[in-house]
Amino acid sequence: EPEVTQTPSHQVTQMGQEVILRCVPISNHLYFYWYRQILGQKVEFLVSFYNNEISEKSEIFDDQFSVERPDGSNFTLKIRSTKLEDSAMYFCASFRGMNTEAFFGQGTRLTVV
Amino acid sequence: QKEVEQNSGPLSVPEGAIASLNCTYSDRGSQSFFWYRQYSGKSPELIMSIYSNGDKEDGRFTAQLNKASQYVSLLIRDSQPSDSATYLCAVKENFGNEKLTFGTGTRLTIIP
Repeated sequence: EPEVTQTPSHQVTQMGQEVILRCVPISNHLYFYWYRQILGQKVEFLVSFYNNEISEKSEIFDDQFSVERPDGSNFTLKIRSTKLEDSAMYFCASFRGMNTEAFFGQGTRLTVV
Repeated sequence: QKEVEQNSGPLSVPEGAIASLNCTYSDRGSQSFFWYRQYSGKSPELIMSIYSNGDKEDGRFTAQLNKASQYVSLLIRDSQPSDSATYLCAVKENFGNEKLTFGTGTRLTIIP
């Protein structure tokens, strides 16, 4: 069964460093999301991406964040200068189109020290 | 601000009984509704989707939607210890804004 895959599963980084989180969405899906979940809190929307551009972003998704689809399959989230409060689980999700379900990857646990 | 509200629980249900999880949403423009299960430290796993008023059944799970009351629920029949998890309600518009908005989740514990 097709699935969304994310790498790495766990990333530890020093404050101020750049990190890139990677996702391979399900192959025939056209819409992509990044969400994050701080420990013990709700799943929060960061950004949605369609047709090679951002379709919506949240207040969390500030200038420190960027997304790219560098080739036909990968979808990346970059955090330019990490802060302690960026420590969270980051989930990538994809779905085919309207009235379809979104499937989540297993997540990347980001720890900023 | 679009809101999705859930009782955070914990909700404790004896094994074999019916677990009932509820969710309300604020945006009348919402068109798609989903229930996800999340085990501790894991990612959300899709259980059910529902798009029209009424009931939708899939195995031991039944989703119920009432758009007039802006209410969606999930029933789990014959609850098993493996059903112990946090259940997330998620809501989406279908008018060019495809963002999924999640509730805070209800923590369900099935007591053997």
